[in-house]
Amino acid sequence: GAGVSQSPSNKVTEKGKDVELRCDPISGHTALYWYRQSLGQGLEFLIYFQGNSAPDKSGLPSDRFSAERTGGSVSTLTIQRTQQEDSAVYLCASSLAHGGAEAFFGQGTRLTVV
Amino acid sequence: GEDVEQSLFLSVREGDSSVINCTYTDSSSTYLYWYKQEPGAGLQLLTYIFSNMDMKQDQRLTVLLNKKDKHLSLRIADTQTGDSAIYFCAVGASGTYKYIFGTGTRLKVLA
Repeated sequence: GAGVSQSPSNKVTEKGKDVELRCDPISGHTALYWYRQSLGQGLEFLIYFQGNSAPDKSGLPSDRFSAERTGGSVSTLTIQRTQQEDSAVYLCASSLAHGGAEAFFGQGTRLTVV
Repeated sequence: GEDVEQSLFLSVREGDSSVINCTYTDSSSTYLYWYKQEPGAGLQLLTYIFSNMDMKQDQRLTVLLNKKDKHLSLRIADTQTGDSAIYFCAVGASGTYKYIFGTGTRLKVLA
Protein backbone atom coordinates (compact mmCIF):
# COMPACT_ATOMS: atom_id res chain seq x y z
CA GLY A 1 0.00 0.00 0.00
CA ALA A 2 0.90 3.62 -0.26
CA GLY A 3 1.06 4.27 3.46
CA VAL A 4 1.13 2.61 6.86
CA SER A 5 -2.08 0.71 7.43
CA GLN A 6 -3.44 -0.19 10.84
CA SER A 7 -6.37 -2.38 11.72
CA PRO A 8 -8.83 -2.26 13.22
CA SER A 9 -9.36 1.48 13.32
CA ASN A 10 -11.52 1.13 16.41
CA LYS A 11 -11.73 -1.66 18.96
CA VAL A 12 -13.97 -1.91 21.98
CA THR A 13 -13.22 -4.79 24.28
CA GLU A 14 -14.24 -5.98 27.69
CA LYS A 15 -11.82 -5.76 30.57
CA GLY A 16 -9.80 -8.95 30.86
CA LYS A 17 -9.99 -9.90 27.19
CA ASP A 18 -6.97 -10.10 24.87
CA VAL A 19 -6.66 -7.87 21.81
CA GLU A 20 -4.44 -7.89 18.74
CA LEU A 21 -3.62 -4.76 16.80
CA ARG A 22 -2.12 -5.01 13.34
CA CYS A 23 0.27 -2.77 11.44
CA ASP A 24 1.23 -3.02 7.78
CA PRO A 25 4.27 -0.80 7.22
CA ILE A 26 5.36 0.81 4.01
CA SER A 27 7.09 -1.71 1.79
CA GLY A 28 10.86 -1.55 2.16
CA HIS A 29 10.83 0.22 5.51
CA THR A 30 13.03 -1.77 7.84
CA ALA A 31 12.23 0.24 10.96
CA LEU A 32 8.84 -0.12 12.64
CA TYR A 33 7.60 1.60 15.78
CA TRP A 34 4.63 1.30 18.09
CA TYR A 35 3.52 4.25 20.19
CA ARG A 36 0.60 4.84 22.51
CA GLN A 37 -1.21 8.13 22.62
CA SER A 38 -3.33 8.76 25.67
CA LEU A 39 -5.35 11.90 26.25
CA GLY A 40 -2.97 14.63 27.39
CA GLN A 41 -0.05 12.21 27.60
CA GLY A 42 1.64 12.74 24.28
CA LEU A 43 3.24 9.86 22.45
CA GLU A 44 4.58 7.05 24.59
CA PHE A 45 7.18 4.83 22.95
CA LEU A 46 6.34 1.14 23.23
CA ILE A 47 8.58 -0.94 20.98
CA TYR A 48 10.91 -0.56 18.01
CA PHE A 49 11.89 -3.11 15.38
CA GLN A 50 14.87 -2.61 13.10
CA GLY A 51 15.61 -5.22 10.47
CA ASN A 52 16.73 -8.50 11.97
CA SER A 53 18.01 -6.94 15.18
CA ALA A 54 16.46 -7.77 18.52
CA PRO A 55 13.57 -5.36 19.11
CA ASP A 56 13.85 -2.56 21.62
CA LYS A 57 11.06 -3.40 24.05
CA SER A 58 12.05 -0.87 26.66
CA GLY A 59 8.78 1.04 26.39
CA LEU A 60 6.36 -1.81 26.94
CA PRO A 61 4.47 -0.89 30.15
CA SER A 62 3.94 -4.41 31.46
CA ASP A 63 4.34 -8.06 30.55
CA ARG A 64 0.76 -8.02 29.30
CA PHE A 65 2.07 -6.22 26.24
CA SER A 66 3.98 -7.98 23.49
CA ALA A 67 4.68 -7.42 19.82
CA GLU A 68 6.11 -9.33 16.96
CA ARG A 69 7.08 -8.57 13.43
CA THR A 70 6.87 -11.42 10.98
CA GLY A 71 9.10 -11.57 7.94
CA GLY A 72 10.34 -8.08 8.54
CA SER A 73 7.00 -6.65 7.48
CA VAL A 74 3.65 -6.89 9.27
CA SER A 75 3.63 -6.33 13.01
CA THR A 76 1.11 -7.34 15.64
CA LEU A 77 0.81 -5.71 19.06
CA THR A 78 -0.93 -7.97 21.57
CA ILE A 79 -2.38 -6.83 24.86
CA GLN A 80 -3.41 -9.61 27.20
CA ARG A 81 -5.97 -9.29 29.98
CA THR A 82 -6.79 -5.73 29.00
CA GLN A 83 -7.34 -3.12 31.68
CA GLN A 84 -9.21 0.17 31.47
CA GLU A 85 -5.94 2.09 31.62
CA ASP A 86 -4.97 0.43 28.34
CA SER A 87 -7.57 2.58 26.59
CA ALA A 88 -5.69 4.82 24.15
CA VAL A 89 -4.84 5.28 20.51
CA TYR A 90 -2.11 2.91 19.41
CA LEU A 91 -0.01 4.32 16.60
CA CYS A 92 2.33 2.45 14.32
CA ALA A 93 5.02 4.09 12.22
CA SER A 94 7.65 2.89 9.80
CA SER A 95 10.73 4.42 8.28
CA LEU A 96 13.87 3.73 6.36
CA ALA A 97 16.74 3.14 8.74
CA HIS A 98 18.96 6.14 8.39
CA GLY A 99 19.41 9.37 10.22
CA GLY A 100 16.86 11.99 9.35
CA ALA A 101 14.50 9.46 7.80
CA GLU A 102 10.88 10.45 8.06
CA ALA A 103 8.67 8.22 10.17
CA PHE A 104 5.37 7.64 8.42
CA PHE A 105 2.46 7.07 10.77
CA GLY A 106 -0.69 5.06 10.38
CA GLN A 107 -4.06 6.43 11.43
CA GLY A 108 -3.95 4.48 14.64
CA THR A 109 -6.21 2.02 16.42
CA ARG A 110 -8.46 3.51 19.06
CA LEU A 111 -8.77 0.94 21.83
CA THR A 112 -11.51 1.29 24.41
CA VAL A 113 -11.60 -1.12 27.31
CA VAL A 114 -14.98 -1.22 29.06
CA GLY B 1 16.44 7.89 29.29
CA GLU B 2 15.72 10.66 26.88
CA ASP B 3 13.07 13.13 27.94
CA VAL B 4 11.36 15.63 25.66
CA GLU B 5 9.10 18.32 27.09
CA GLN B 6 6.67 20.79 25.57
CA SER B 7 4.00 23.08 26.88
CA LEU B 8 0.54 21.64 26.35
CA PHE B 9 -1.37 24.56 24.88
CA LEU B 10 -0.83 27.67 22.76
CA SER B 11 -3.45 30.08 21.52
CA VAL B 12 -2.75 32.77 18.90
CA ARG B 13 -4.76 35.08 16.69
CA GLU B 14 -4.93 34.49 12.96
CA GLY B 15 -2.13 36.34 11.20
CA ASP B 16 0.14 36.40 14.24
CA SER B 17 3.28 34.29 14.60
CA SER B 18 3.21 31.14 16.72
CA VAL B 19 6.24 29.88 18.60
CA ILE B 20 6.17 26.35 19.94
CA ASN B 21 8.98 25.37 22.28
CA CYS B 22 10.60 22.07 23.16
CA THR B 23 13.37 21.02 25.52
CA TYR B 24 15.20 17.72 25.48
CA THR B 25 17.80 15.99 27.60
CA ASP B 26 19.98 13.91 25.27
CA SER B 27 22.70 16.21 23.98
CA SER B 28 23.88 13.57 21.51
CA SER B 29 20.63 13.61 19.52
CA THR B 30 21.59 14.06 15.90
CA TYR B 31 18.22 14.79 14.33
CA LEU B 32 15.37 16.80 15.79
CA TYR B 33 11.92 16.82 14.25
CA TRP B 34 8.60 18.59 14.25
CA TYR B 35 5.46 16.61 13.50
CA LYS B 36 1.90 17.87 13.07
CA GLN B 37 -1.24 15.97 14.02
CA GLU B 38 -4.54 17.28 12.73
CA PRO B 39 -7.77 16.22 14.46
CA GLY B 40 -8.56 12.56 13.83
CA ALA B 41 -5.45 12.09 11.71
CA GLY B 42 -2.03 10.53 12.05
CA LEU B 43 1.19 12.42 12.49
CA GLN B 44 2.93 14.04 9.56
CA LEU B 45 6.49 15.28 9.41
CA LEU B 46 6.70 19.05 9.07
CA THR B 47 10.43 19.56 9.13
CA TYR B 48 13.61 18.39 10.77
CA ILE B 49 16.98 19.87 11.62
CA PHE B 50 20.44 18.40 11.99
CA SER B 51 22.12 18.99 15.30
CA ASN B 52 24.96 20.90 13.62
CA MET B 53 22.53 23.57 12.42
CA ASP B 54 21.21 26.55 14.35
CA MET B 55 18.32 27.42 12.12
CA LYS B 56 16.30 26.06 9.26
CA GLN B 57 13.66 27.93 7.31
CA ASP B 58 11.00 26.41 5.11
CA GLN B 59 8.36 28.83 3.82
CA ARG B 60 6.33 29.91 6.87
CA LEU B 61 8.22 27.60 9.20
CA THR B 62 11.42 28.49 11.04
CA VAL B 63 13.17 26.01 13.30
CA LEU B 64 15.67 27.28 15.84
CA LEU B 65 18.04 25.00 17.72
CA ASN B 66 20.01 26.01 20.80
CA LYS B 67 22.21 23.02 21.52
CA LYS B 68 23.75 24.55 24.60
CA ASP B 69 20.35 24.90 26.26
CA LYS B 70 18.92 21.79 24.50
CA HIS B 71 16.06 23.90 23.26
CA LEU B 72 14.21 23.58 19.98
CA SER B 73 11.52 25.91 18.71
CA LEU B 74 9.14 26.04 15.78
CA ARG B 75 7.94 29.39 14.56
CA ILE B 76 4.95 29.58 12.24
CA ALA B 77 4.62 32.93 10.51
CA ASP B 78 1.22 34.34 9.56
CA THR B 79 -0.60 31.60 11.43
CA GLN B 80 -3.82 30.45 9.79
CA THR B 81 -6.84 28.61 11.17
CA GLY B 82 -5.68 25.57 9.19
CA ASP B 83 -2.58 25.48 11.36
CA SER B 84 -4.71 24.48 14.36
CA ALA B 85 -3.36 21.07 15.35
CA ILE B 86 -1.11 19.30 17.83
CA TYR B 87 2.59 19.83 17.20
CA PHE B 88 5.05 17.22 18.41
CA CYS B 89 8.73 17.71 18.93
CA ALA B 90 10.77 14.52 18.49
CA VAL B 91 14.42 13.65 18.82
CA GLY B 92 16.35 10.71 17.51
CA ALA B 93 17.68 8.79 20.49
CA SER B 94 21.44 8.54 20.42
CA GLY B 95 22.86 5.47 18.72
CA THR B 96 19.51 4.36 17.30
CA TYR B 97 16.85 5.55 14.93
CA LYS B 98 14.27 5.48 17.70
CA TYR B 99 12.15 8.60 17.95
CA ILE B 100 11.32 10.05 21.35
CA PHE B 101 8.33 12.36 21.23
CA GLY B 102 7.26 15.18 23.45
CA THR B 103 3.79 15.51 24.90
CA GLY B 104 2.65 17.67 22.01
CA THR B 105 1.49 21.29 21.99
CA ARG B 106 -2.10 21.94 21.01
CA LEU B 107 -2.17 25.09 18.89
CA LYS B 108 -5.46 26.91 18.65
CA VAL B 109 -5.75 29.70 16.11
CA LEU B 110 -8.43 32.26 16.79
CA ALA B 111 -10.11 33.96 13.83
